[in-house]
Amino acid sequence: KAGVTQTPRYLIKTRGQQVTLSCSPISGHRSVSWYQQTPGQGLQFLFEYFSETQRNKGNFPGRFSGRQFSNSRSEMNVSTLELGDSALYLCASMIGTGAYEQYFGPGTRLTVT
Amino acid sequence: EDQVTQSPEALRLQEGESSSLNCSYTVSGLRGLFWYRQDPGKGPEFLFTLYSAGEEKEKERLKATLTKKESFLHITAPKPEDSATYLCAVRPQGAQKLVFGQGTRLTINP
Repeated sequence: KAGVTQTPRYLIKTRGQQVTLSCSPISGHRSVSWYQQTPGQGLQFLFEYFSETQRNKGNFPGRFSGRQFSNSRSEMNVSTLELGDSALYLCASMIGTGAYEQYFGPGTRLTVT
Repeated sequence: EDQVTQSPEALRLQEGESSSLNCSYTVSGLRGLFWYRQDPGKGPEFLFTLYSAGEEKEKERLKATLTKKESFLHITAPKPEDSATYLCAVRPQGAQKLVFGQGTRLTINP
């Protein structure tokens, strides 16, 4: 059974640009969550989608947005990039809502210069 | 505010030297506590889910336990391949998210 896939794996962008990251969950999983991981802040929750609806959002500015498609694939977008947005962005899939385990992808390493 | 604190931040052991990692939490109703392992440059790998105080789960050299305020990850006779960062996370009641601790970086020397 294939795991969570994320593309691209590495990305270098310039301040002020925007970026779109993609996540394909495990087959049959309908919930997708996004997290930002930095050395200083650790893993922080961005948002969660289930059946194309955003169910919860973390404490991030409106520059961070996401969406989910009918096939459960998800994208997140960051507009007007700042240096502090450099991080590992992780996508996690879960079979449904509730206290199920989340399975993480390998992440997208974003570097903003 | 929901909070997870892991200790120690880093731990260095000799191969075969057993120890425990701690995860203490304050949460508005616990829907689940999760342990993950993360290797450098990779996403977290799921290890265990614990739901209620007194519950225990085991997998190879790892054993996770849960009380009302903390969880322990016991590592018995570790091997160098157990070296990784171990992350603890909680899912609060009514919240569709995981709240993570900062992790414990474990190094096992041969």
